[in-house]
Amino acid sequence: GNSVTQMEGPVTLSEEAFLTINCTYTATGYPSLFWYVQYPGEGLQLLLKATKADDKGSNKGFEATYRKETTSFHLEKGSVQVSDSAVYFCALSGGSEKLVFGKGTKLTVNP
Amino acid sequence: DTEVTQTPKHLVMGMTNKKSLKCEQHMGHRAMYWYKQKAKKPPELMFVYSYEKLSINESVPSRFSPECPNSSLLNLHLHALQPEDSALYLCASSLGSGGPFGELFFGEGSRLTVL
Repeated sequence: GNSVTQMEGPVTLSEEAFLTINCTYTATGYPSLFWYVQYPGEGLQLLLKATKADDKGSNKGFEATYRKETTSFHLEKGSVQVSDSAVYFCALSGGSEKLVFGKGTKLTVNP
Repeated sequence: DTEVTQTPKHLVMGMTNKKSLKCEQHMGHRAMYWYKQKAKKPPELMFVYSYEKLSINESVPSRFSPECPNSSLLNLHLHALQPEDSALYLCASSLGSGGPFGELFFGEGSRLTVL
């Protein structure tokens, strides 16, 4: 079945540091890939998505590229801010009604 | 309007109570979802409604009873819950179900505590 593996962290960075959160997936066919973010005490928000190989999703300075050859969708940001502190979930949609989530990575950014 | 609205935000109930969680969206989405999220875990799918019909029940205990009165509303009726059911309950919607998109719009959740 479909699955997502992401680095679990927690990840602690200083402001303006470079961020990478790794995400790899296993899926049949051609899934769509997503990064969702959950700020403390809130629901999940879609951060970015990519629906086909080599697509790059980007939003709020975050980027992720759909790499079919390495089955990866790593999240990156060049310079993190304190306000980026949250839990980040990588997710996959294989065309059914079920969105498959990774376990989540908690990011803390210190001033 | 790109919001999914959930009420109440917080709910405390005893094991013999009956309560309901409500969810509303006005984006014209035809699929609606209930997820359960425990602390430090990803959301777990409970139910999916597609075009107002229940399409997925992830073997959820019958003490949770979903209802979709119309395409904009989704309820989760709660009865005889256990303390281990305490969690954040998230509602979500999507344009359709299945297909290549899968983009879900989530509400802020209802935090349930069962005493």
